[in-house]
Amino acid sequence: DQQVKQNSPSLSVQEGRISILNCDYTNSMFDYFLWYKKYPAEGPTFLISISSIKDKNEDGRFTVFLNKSAKHLSLHIVPSQPGDSAVYFCAASAFGNTPLVFGKGTRLSVIA
Amino acid sequence: DGGITQSPKYLFRKEGQNVTLSCEQNLNHDAMYWYRQDPGQGLRLIYYSQIVNDFQKGDIAEGYSVSREKKESFPLTVTSAQKNPTAFYLCASNSDRGDHYGYTFGSGTRLTVV
Repeated sequence: DQQVKQNSPSLSVQEGRISILNCDYTNSMFDYFLWYKKYPAEGPTFLISISSIKDKNEDGRFTVFLNKSAKHLSLHIVPSQPGDSAVYFCAASAFGNTPLVFGKGTRLSVIA
Repeated sequence: DGGITQSPKYLFRKEGQNVTLSCEQNLNHDAMYWYRQDPGQGLRLIYYSQIVNDFQKGDIAEGYSVSREKKESFPLTVTSAQKNPTAFYLCASNSDRGDHYGYTFGSGTRLTVV
């Protein structure tokens, strides 16, 4: 049973526009959510995170929104740049440093 | 510079052979993890260890074994019992303080069964 779902395998956006990546979760015990970015043949790198006590966290061009009632979070990238082209993984963790549970990823392509 | 080193980057295995993937970290992290990535499957947890000489099975532990004799090292053995071992394997670590920012990944090992 997939606890973290990224229903869009791919997304294509023009340079300068907004990219919105979505993630849904089913486990009510999740209290911390993260987004990782991954290039081919490399390990994922941490991008941004949000605690369940917040509904928004912003870091430069990246903003993550959390809707706990809908068990939904989204990553907004504004403006999108060609270097943002990568696979983005949503991940979640329950209280107590339990291992991260990852979604299947969304491949973002930013077209110049 | 601190980080996680996975070796080798590419590994070829004949069917029926066991192979061991190396993962070493110099971040002084307590917890270490092995994930497997398959196309369209995301990252799935194989094994994890939160302290030396102790480890737990993840979601897809069958056909794999690990050891944690030293804090810095968490090798993964892919045994002949693993039916579909061809995949990209990622090792990660973090400090045991609930520090979610501390998940550091290695650069991965691509294993191919020939």
